Amino acid sequence: GDSVTQMEGPVTLSEEAFLTINCTYTATGYPSLFWYVQYPGEGLQLLLKATKADDKGSNKGFEATYRKETTSFHLEKGSVQVSDSAVYFCALDSSYKLIFGSGTRLLVRP
Amino acid sequence: EPEVTQTPSHQVTQMGQEVILRCVPISNHLYFYWYRQILGQKVEFLVSFYNNEISEKSEIFDDQFSVERPDGSNFTLKIRSTKLEDSAMYFCASRGGRSSYNEQFFGPGTRLTVL
Repeated sequence: GDSVTQMEGPVTLSEEAFLTINCTYTATGYPSLFWYVQYPGEGLQLLLKATKADDKGSNKGFEATYRKETTSFHLEKGSVQVSDSAVYFCALDSSYKLIFGSGTRLLVRP
Repeated sequence: EPEVTQTPSHQVTQMGQEVILRCVPISNHLYFYWYRQILGQKVEFLVSFYNNEISEKSEIFDDQFSVERPDGSNFTLKIRSTKLEDSAMYFCASRGGRSSYNEQFFGPGTRLTVL
């Protein structure tokens, strides 16, 4: 079945460092791909999405490109802030339900 | 901004008891979902609901689970006889339309603790 694999965390960075969180997927066809973020004590919020190959999703300085060749959707940000500390989930749309990766905790230190 | 709400935020229950988790989806949405996240593990799909019936359910969603939309606003998840392994965070989500272009909006979750 469809699945999502994310790099394990926690990822600890200093403020203004470059962030990459790897995500790869296995799916039939070309599903839409998502990154959700979960801040402490809150629910899941959609961070960005891409609906077809080579699409780039972006929001709040975060970007991810839908790479069909490598079945990847890596999340990047050029300069992280302390307020970016959260858990990040990669997900794909599989028959209108979401399949999530295991989540990656990001800790940004001042 | 419209949002999905869930009550209670934390529910503690004894093993074997029934619990009902409540969700109020965004008012004009048509598709409703429950997901759960056992502590430290991934978020898992439980069930989807459309037009007053279950569209799809996972193998986790056994006979102990049921969902209902009792009125025009609430969407509930019932666990008939809770087990220790039901302890998890339960998320409700709703979506406006069928296409994946329609974002799923998540509630803040209910943390269920079964003792």
